[in-house]
Amino acid sequence: GAVVSQHPSRVICKSGTSVKIECRSLDFQATTMFWYRQFPKKSLMLMATSNEGSKATYEQGVEKDKFLINHASLTLSTLTVTSAHPEDSSFYICSARDGRGKRANEKLFFGSGTQLSVL
Amino acid sequence: QKEVEQNSGPLSVPEGAIASLNCTYSDRGSQSFFWYRQYSGKSPELIMSIYSNGDKEDGRFTAQLNKASQYVSLLIRDSQPSDSATYLCAVTDSGAGSYQLTFGKGTKLSVIP
Repeated sequence: GAVVSQHPSRVICKSGTSVKIECRSLDFQATTMFWYRQFPKKSLMLMATSNEGSKATYEQGVEKDKFLINHASLTLSTLTVTSAHPEDSSFYICSARDGRGKRANEKLFFGSGTQLSVL
Repeated sequence: QKEVEQNSGPLSVPEGAIASLNCTYSDRGSQSFFWYRQYSGKSPELIMSIYSNGDKEDGRFTAQLNKASQYVSLLIRDSQPSDSATYLCAVTDSGAGSYQLTFGKGTKLSVIP
């Protein structure tokens, strides 16, 4: 399957700092990437859809000024958690669609995730 | 509101048995269905996709889809301890041009040696 690289895998930061998470599609171009967050023992919650060359689309209840998304190229999307607070501590996962193959444009492949801990 | 329902479990099966995981969805127009496996602390891994009614087999995994009943299932034959994980059912939204997935909360499977 397609490879999506995400880093860092773990971040521990002080309250009030900003954290940037990178998501790269390594062997395909991804015009659309998705950002999820997951709390312990809970399911994935879509935060936003990242579109190359345009503004991200945020889900209801997700603060766009808090979670800045930049999708400047076909292989890279970044999520910046600004002025992080302890309640932002979560597992953040990116995913991208691989457009190759039959109906493959609907398959999502996930990055390895970033565990954010805000002290 | 589109919903995907799964029994949270845990579902415990002995090694070598068949594990049966079930999922129902509310959006009758959904066209694509996926099963992801997620180990604790890791991101989800796609293991099966199914688009048409009936069964689809891949190794020890069989996905079953019944659109009339809005039901999709995953069977794992000859279950192994390494299959112990949370299995997420995901359904593509039916909106035109939309490729967003709605995930269920997942079923935790434990395979007992």
